[in-house]
Amino acid sequence: AQSVAQPEDQVNVAEGNPLTVKCTYSVSGNPYLFWYVQYPNRGLQFLLKYITGDNLVKGSYGFEAEFNKSQTSFHLKKPSALVSDSALYFCAVRDSGGTGFQKLVFGTGTRLLVSP
Amino acid sequence: NAGVTQTPKFQVLKTGQSMTLQCAQDMNHEYMSWYRQDPGMGLRLIHYSVGAGITDQGEVPNGYNVSRSTTEDFPLRLLSAAPSQTSVYFCASSYGGARMRTEAFFGQGTRLTVV
Repeated sequence: AQSVAQPEDQVNVAEGNPLTVKCTYSVSGNPYLFWYVQYPNRGLQFLLKYITGDNLVKGSYGFEAEFNKSQTSFHLKKPSALVSDSALYFCAVRDSGGTGFQKLVFGTGTRLLVSP
Repeated sequence: NAGVTQTPKFQVLKTGQSMTLQCAQDMNHEYMSWYRQDPGMGLRLIHYSVGAGITDQGEVPNGYNVSRSTTEDFPLRLLSAAPSQTSVYFCASSYGGARMRTEAFFGQGTRLTVV
């Protein structure tokens, strides 16, 4: 069965400092990995994805993520945090195997708080 | 391009009432799905559809019905609301077939409270 773990409920970082939001996953086959962000009272917005290819994936708003197959991790990173990055971040995985609908399995979310 | 549109944004129901959450997408996506978001639990799949006329259950389907008469619309029906169904509901759509590597698009969510 697929699963995603986000070990930190909350990450605090000062504006201008680098940030990392952690994610580890488990799938039976090769993973499709996604990061989504949720701002207060808003829907989920897509940030970036790993399907295949380069292990470093670049996405929206200056975010990037590193896929590490041996550690089954897909940590979200940004070199310099902004106060406006404060939001709830979700990691999600989908199994690439099989045909037809493959559900997204989400982590429990990590709240990022960036202080001025 | 509106993407995925959900209505209503907020709803309060009494226990036992029924209602329909609407979802529409204008991207011609084959796949549509409903998730619920509860604190500390992430998002969980309720029902999904791979095309008009085809629906199937997700991991938490009890108390909900869906139908898909058109590619664009995928309503979620609560048959007899219970306090345990208090949650935030998200509709999502995505490509299927050869384009199923792409990401899912989500609506703005419906915050439902059952009293």
